[in-house]
Amino acid sequence: EVQLVESGGGLVQPGGSLRLSCAASGFTLSSYWMHWVRQAPGKGLVWVSRINSDGSTIIYADSVKGRFTISRDNAKNTLYLQMNSLRAEDTAVYYCVREDSGSYNFDYWGQGTLVTVSS
Amino acid sequence: EIVMTQSPATLSVSPGERATLSCRASQSVSRNLAWYQQKPGQAPRLLISGASTRATGIPARFSGSGSGTEFTLTISSLQSEDFAVYYCQQYNNWPPLTFGGGTKVEIK
Repeated sequence: EVQLVESGGGLVQPGGSLRLSCAASGFTLSSYWMHWVRQAPGKGLVWVSRINSDGSTIIYADSVKGRFTISRDNAKNTLYLQMNSLRAEDTAVYYCVREDSGSYNFDYWGQGTLVTVSS
Repeated sequence: EIVMTQSPATLSVSPGERATLSCRASQSVSRNLAWYQQKPGQAPRLLISGASTRATGIPARFSGSGSGTEFTLTISSLQSEDFAVYYCQQYNNWPPLTFGGGTKVEIK
């Protein structure tokens, strides 16, 4: 069974940092491109970042470029999102998402981890 | 950036009735469109990709159609478990990958 389990969310002050992790199981992480998608409370879905299977190609949404860093450790079956210079507008549930074999759509989602940026 | 607009924002439907949800793109996305379902407190679930191909395990009452800028998700006979929020997503021109604002399907 494919599972994606996020962790690392919590309350952080504006300007602070947080690192999210996503533990993958039930499939070979190194075979898939992975994404982070976020959802502010009561709002819609917003794509954040994408990383290819070996980590050599990375793309970010403009809203997080220069502040967030996506990475992966295929040996540990784990995806990461390092978030720096956090702002109130970064408050959201962050989902780790698997891309369906180069299709650009998302076939498996984690349960999400809530990041709250507030003083 | 391609803007995806969904309508209506809320759709009130009785169980057993048909629901028709719309998604419009600000420019052509060919057939590179997906639909997702999200229930309260849950992650989204892929329903449809390529505008009309049902994902694994998705019941036949869900169907997608359209191309270019106009797309439709139809639920032929609403079941209790179908009341949720539905999002469309384009993947033709990116970055960024973009989602619509969602349509909430509620019980009438």
